[in-house]
Amino acid sequence: QSALTQPPSASGSLGQSVTISCAGTSSDVGNYKYVSWYQQYPGKAPRLILYEVSQRPSGVPDRFSGSKSGNTASLTVSGLQAEDEADYYCSSYAGSNIRVFGGGTKLTVL
Amino acid sequence: QVQLVQSGAEVKKPGASVNVSCKASGYTFTSYYMNWVRQAPGQGLEWMAIINPSSGDTSYARKFQGRLTVTRDTSTGVVYMELSSLRSEDTAVYYCARNGRSASCDNWGLGTPVTVSS
Repeated sequence: QSALTQPPSASGSLGQSVTISCAGTSSDVGNYKYVSWYQQYPGKAPRLILYEVSQRPSGVPDRFSGSKSGNTASLTVSGLQAEDEADYYCSSYAGSNIRVFGGGTKLTVL
Repeated sequence: QVQLVQSGAEVKKPGASVNVSCKASGYTFTSYYMNWVRQAPGQGLEWMAIINPSSGDTSYARKFQGRLTVTRDTSTGVVYMELSSLRSEDTAVYYCARNGRSASCDNWGLGTPVTVSS
């Protein structure tokens, strides 16, 4: 039950795209398609932006997309906007009803 | 609409226990599992536990086994999280989060700050 590995920071200019990785193991990310991503602003509760690797809940812009290859999942934010500046966390199912989160990535919009 | 209303901030001494509640409304309480997630100051999210409100069955992160108890009251739609033997490292904001599709957390409470200090 180790945390998933995310880069501490990422950045991109307005209008550009940025990709955040989330590395797990064959016991979590690599074994299930149940990867989700969350956006969190300072002092606020997290918000679900992707589930099942690439599915967007209602109301989430299609600028947010996700993928998975092997033990690593990725979140891509296209057409960066100022309001995308936030912390992003990945999470994966790890079997036996256990979940695990990544350490989080602070996204800066330049 | 789904609402998860958590109890208020707590200040506890080391060695004590804390009980945080989460009242669910806007959906059928027994149809969705509930997660507990915490976030220490300046740190990331940490998954702690999940409960099936229908059966009461629980699963805990290995790190908290023996020190964490999650229960529910189906008559009131409330889930409880009790953490015992508190230490300073347990200082965090504790969130309840409804379990949605594919093991995601689709709705979150606002969080309950817990401070452990002598």
